[in-house]
Amino acid sequence: GAGVSQSPSNKVTEKGKDVELRCDPISGHTALYWYRQSLGQGLEFLIYFQGNSAPDKSGLPSDRFSAERTGGSVSTLTIQRTQQEDSAVYLCASSLKGGSPLHFGNGTRLTVT
Amino acid sequence: DQQVKQNSPSLSVQEGRISILNCDYTNSMFDYFLWYKKYPAEGPTFLISISSIKDKNEDGRFTVFLNKSAKHLSLHIVPSQPGDSAVYFCAASGSGGSNYKLTFGKGTLLTVNP
Repeated sequence: GAGVSQSPSNKVTEKGKDVELRCDPISGHTALYWYRQSLGQGLEFLIYFQGNSAPDKSGLPSDRFSAERTGGSVSTLTIQRTQQEDSAVYLCASSLKGGSPLHFGNGTRLTVT
Repeated sequence: DQQVKQNSPSLSVQEGRISILNCDYTNSMFDYFLWYKKYPAEGPTFLISISSIKDKNEDGRFTVFLNKSAKHLSLHIVPSQPGDSAVYFCAASGSGGSNYKLTFGKGTLLTVNP
């Protein structure tokens, strides 16, 4: 079956604009994660969704970042009023349940000019 | 404050030899450890994991060793192959309610030379 799908694969945007990143998890996976990798850094946890439970948003770096997961499947990560420090690869992952190994998508490379 | 540290940004080995990638952690609540492998322009893929109740887990050419007292784990690849060239990330999670949250190291770029 298909893996985790992310779109777009690349996004260049001007500082101050809003962007929306999409993630389509593996069918049947109840857990969905967003991570980001800035240049030279490890993967940084952003947010976690598990079924219908309230998401763990503890990793979101500011209130300009938000995410939702509709119908327990597709997720969108929205960054408002983008800043240059938001430039990174944003990775989505899903797993059968929390604590199971993560399956990552190929990421969205965001460049804020 | 980095809780998972991979102190070697890069490692180069000859094909057929052993590759040893190291990882240290500071959080004593971590009890589950994973290694991920990442090729350029792709997402990380799960490689192997180990629970804190074990000190070794083996899967084909890949073996992970855990030394809890030293808060250290290592990934051994033997024999190394050119296709193993990638960035390897060490990750850890803790017990309890937030066991889903992985903390990653910065990665080690492994180059296996033919």
